[in-house]
Amino acid sequence: QQPVQSPQAVILREGEDAVINCSSSKALYSVHWYRQKHGEAPVFLMILLKGGEQKGHDKISASFNEKKQQSSLYLTASQLSYSGTYFCGTQGGNTPLVFGKGTRLSVIA
Amino acid sequence: GAVVSQHPSWVICKSGTSVKIECRSLDFQATTMFWYRQFPKQSLMLMATSNEGSKATYEQGVEKDKFLINHASLTLSTLTVTSAHPEDSSFYICSARRTGWDNSPLHFGNGTRLTVT
Repeated sequence: QQPVQSPQAVILREGEDAVINCSSSKALYSVHWYRQKHGEAPVFLMILLKGGEQKGHDKISASFNEKKQQSSLYLTASQLSYSGTYFCGTQGGNTPLVFGKGTRLSVIA
Repeated sequence: GAVVSQHPSWVICKSGTSVKIECRSLDFQATTMFWYRQFPKQSLMLMATSNEGSKATYEQGVEKDKFLINHASLTLSTLTVTSAHPEDSSFYICSARRTGWDNSPLHFGNGTRLTVT
C-alpha cells in the first residue's frame, strides 16, 4: 500500500529549513528516502531500519517512528542543489519497496 | 560501487512494434530486480519484480503478456514492451538490490524514456 507523503510541494528560500513526512497504514520494516531531479533517476539518500532510528548526512537527516508508522526527512539550511522531488519508499517485511507520491521541493535564491 | 546500467536511455518506436530494455548490475549480483514506470510528475509505480531463474511477479493491473520480463542471469534483467501503443509512452526505470542484502537500498538505473508514435 502506497505511503502518504506531505506536503505535496514546498518552496523555500536558500537557508530555510523543511520537513517532509511519510506515513503508512501498515507496519513498516524499513523506510528509504530518495531524491529525483527532473529527467533523472532517483538517487538514494538514506535508509532507516529500526524504530527510533535517526541518521543524517551533511544537513539532511531523517527519523523513523516505528510505532506511529511514519518517517520524517529534515532539510536544514537548504541549498539550491536540494531542489527536486523527494520520495519515501516503504517496505513491510519481505515485500518490494513502494513509493509515496513525492514531495516537490523548490529552493530559490 | 553498486552501479546499475540501463539501456537504451531513450527510444522512439512506432505503434505495434516491440521494444526491449536492458538492466544490468555492473559490480554486484542481483537475484531480484524491480521494474518501475513513471509518468510525468507522478510517482514511481512498481510494475513487476524480476527473479533470476524464475517467473516475474507482476503487480495488479500490469499485463504480463504485454510487459515480458526475463531475468536470465544474476546481473541482467530485460523488459520487453510488446505491441507498444502511445499510452505505453513513459519513463521506465529498473532497480536492483545486492543479493542477500535485504535491508540495503535499491540502486536505480538511469531510466529509459519510451515514446510510442
